[in-house]
Amino acid sequence: EPEVTQTPSHQVTQMGQEVILRCVPISNHLYFYWYRQILGQKVEFLVSFYNNEISEKSEIFDDQFSVERPDGSNFTLKIRSTKLEDSAMYFCASSLRTANTEAFFGQGTRLTVV
Amino acid sequence: GQQVMQIPQYQHVQEGEDFTTYCNSSTTLSNIQWYKQRPGGHPVFLIQLVKSGEVKKQKRLTFQFGEAKKNSSLHITATQTTDVGTYFCAVSTGGGNKLTFGTGTQLKVEL
Repeated sequence: EPEVTQTPSHQVTQMGQEVILRCVPISNHLYFYWYRQILGQKVEFLVSFYNNEISEKSEIFDDQFSVERPDGSNFTLKIRSTKLEDSAMYFCASSLRTANTEAFFGQGTRLTVV
Repeated sequence: GQQVMQIPQYQHVQEGEDFTTYCNSSTTLSNIQWYKQRPGGHPVFLIQLVKSGEVKKQKRLTFQFGEAKKNSSLHITATQTTDVGTYFCAVSTGGGNKLTFGTGTQLKVEL
């Protein structure tokens, strides 16, 4: 069964450092997303991406965040200058279509900022 | 923004007991999805409801969408230890299919 894959599974970084989280969405999907989940809390939307541009972003997704699809398969989330409060599980997801369609989530990257 | 509340926050049951989680919105929803997240895992899609009053079943799981499309429920009959996890409802909004997740109900099943 096709799946979304994310690397690394765990990333530890020092405050102020840049991190890049990587995702390979399901190959025929057109819509890509990043979500985050602080430990014990609900899943929060960060950004959606379609046709090589951001289609929607949340208030969490400020100037320190950026997304990119550098080639035909990878989808990345960059956090420019990490803060302690960025520590969370980051999930990549993809879906085939927009509206009323299920999202397939990757296993997540646990980011720990120290 | 869209707010979706779920109750209860936690539920401990004995294996074989039933379990229900409720999802409520102050606004009318176009659709609702349900996801399950096992401890340490990622959200996994269970089902989507679109029509007013819709009821769907998956083995021991029954999903319902309210007549006014402002609430939904997930009912598990005769829970098993494999049902352990957090159940989230989620609402798809906007042209980009952004999902707004509910607060989740964490289910623990004891033998």
